[in-house]
Amino acid sequence: GNSVTQMEGPVTLSEEAFLTINCTYTATGYPSLFWYVQYPGEGLQLLLKATKADDKGSNKGFEATYRKETTSFHLEKGSVQVSDSAVYFCALSGSDDKIIFGKGTRLHILP
Amino acid sequence: GAVVSQHPSWVICKSGTSVKIECRSLDFQATTMFWYRQFPKQSLMLMATSNEGSKATYEQGVEKDKFLINHASLTLSTLTVTSAHPEDSSFYICSAQGTAMSGYTFGSGTRLTVV
Repeated sequence: GNSVTQMEGPVTLSEEAFLTINCTYTATGYPSLFWYVQYPGEGLQLLLKATKADDKGSNKGFEATYRKETTSFHLEKGSVQVSDSAVYFCALSGSDDKIIFGKGTRLHILP
Repeated sequence: GAVVSQHPSWVICKSGTSVKIECRSLDFQATTMFWYRQFPKQSLMLMATSNEGSKATYEQGVEKDKFLINHASLTLSTLTVTSAHPEDSSFYICSAQGTAMSGYTFGSGTRLTVV
C-alpha cells in the first residue's frame, strides 16, 4: 500500500540557517504530494503541493520538488525564521483520494 | 509508536440518517483530537478541535449541530454526522495528540458516501 516516510525530529536550527526535511514515499500510480504545517495550538494548514513529476511547489519561502525517480518530496527553505517553528507533515493522495501522512517533523528555530 | 485507530474506514448511508465515526488512541492518552474533512482533490479542512472532557471548538462555517463531536475519554473521540446529505460525502480524518510536546498521530480516515 501507499506510505510516506519523513525524517524524525525534532530538528533544531538557528535563525537564517538552511532547512531540509526529507520525505520519501511509496505509491502505485501517480500520487499528489503535499507538505502541511501545524503551528502550536492550531490545526493543519496546507503549505505547498505538487501534482505531477518534476513539479515544484512553493510557498512562504519553502519549496519541494516532486522527484519520481527517487520517490522523494524533500522540503527546503533557504533561511528559516523563528516563526517557522512548527510541525511539518509530508503527505500523499493516491488514486482513491485517500490522504496518507508521515509522522511529522517538529522544527525548532532558535533566535 | 503511537497508533490511532479510526473506524469505519468507509461507510455508505442513506440520506437523512446519522453516521458515527470513532477515533481511538491505542497506546497513549490523547488530550487533544482534531477532526478534518477533505473534499476530492482539495486540501484538508479543519472542522473542530476537541479536548477531553470539554466541548469541542468548531471552525467557522462548520455546523456544530450537524457534526457532533464527543471526546468523553482520553482514548476515544467520536464524530457523528447527523441527518447526512449527499453534500456531506467526503473523507474524514482524525488526528490525536498526547501531551503538548508530543507529536500528532493520524487515523487512517473514513470515506463517507451519502446516497
